[in-house]
Amino acid sequence: SAVISQKPSRDICQRGTSLTIQCQVDSQVTMMFWYRQQPGQSLTLIATANQGSEATYESGFVIDKFPISRPNLTFSTLTVSNMSPEDSSIYLCSVLGTGILDEQFFGPGTRLTVL
Amino acid sequence: GESVGLHLPTLSVQEGDNSIINCAYSNSASDYFIWYKQESGKGPQFIIDIRSNMDKRQGQRVTVLLNKTVKHLSLQIAATQPGDSAVYFCAENYSGYALNFGKGTSLLVTP
Repeated sequence: SAVISQKPSRDICQRGTSLTIQCQVDSQVTMMFWYRQQPGQSLTLIATANQGSEATYESGFVIDKFPISRPNLTFSTLTVSNMSPEDSSIYLCSVLGTGILDEQFFGPGTRLTVL
Repeated sequence: GESVGLHLPTLSVQEGDNSIINCAYSNSASDYFIWYKQESGKGPQFIIDIRSNMDKRQGQRVTVLLNKTVKHLSLQIAATQPGDSAVYFCAENYSGYALNFGKGTSLLVTP
């Protein structure tokens, strides 16, 4: 399985500001995803980060609020823009494994608190 | 997308007993299912997966059962240990490789 790291691991931010979260994988992967996990809740897919093209967003998520970059096959960033307390969540990146089945592996997450 | 849900939000078992965590899914087109374990402060950890052309798959101390007729998925953990205490999520593949997650079941293993 791929080793995935995220930076920062946690942050406390003021409303109206933006935070960029980084996801680094130790090997080249074809597909990377960003998920949100609100307090005490399950995971919700935000978008698929596409290498060399614009991310594909799920219903309810827009590029202006969650711009995503994927400059190469091992790295992606998610920015949470113009934050409000409702954005307080854990943000997780995941990658598709290279095995026979479509295993998806997750990073440790970034815990964001917006005041 | 259609929903994936869990029957029980919490489950308490004694150490050494077997645990069964259930999950219902509603998207009959889903062809791939995964169980994840999430410990406090960590990302979800892959446990076991199964494709829709199978009805059972076994791993180390874990077994996943798939009943497509009633759209039901279960995770069985044998000889549950304190280290198994965590939140368990089922997830289904509904669009490309993206996953739709269920609500989660908190498993508490008591001595």
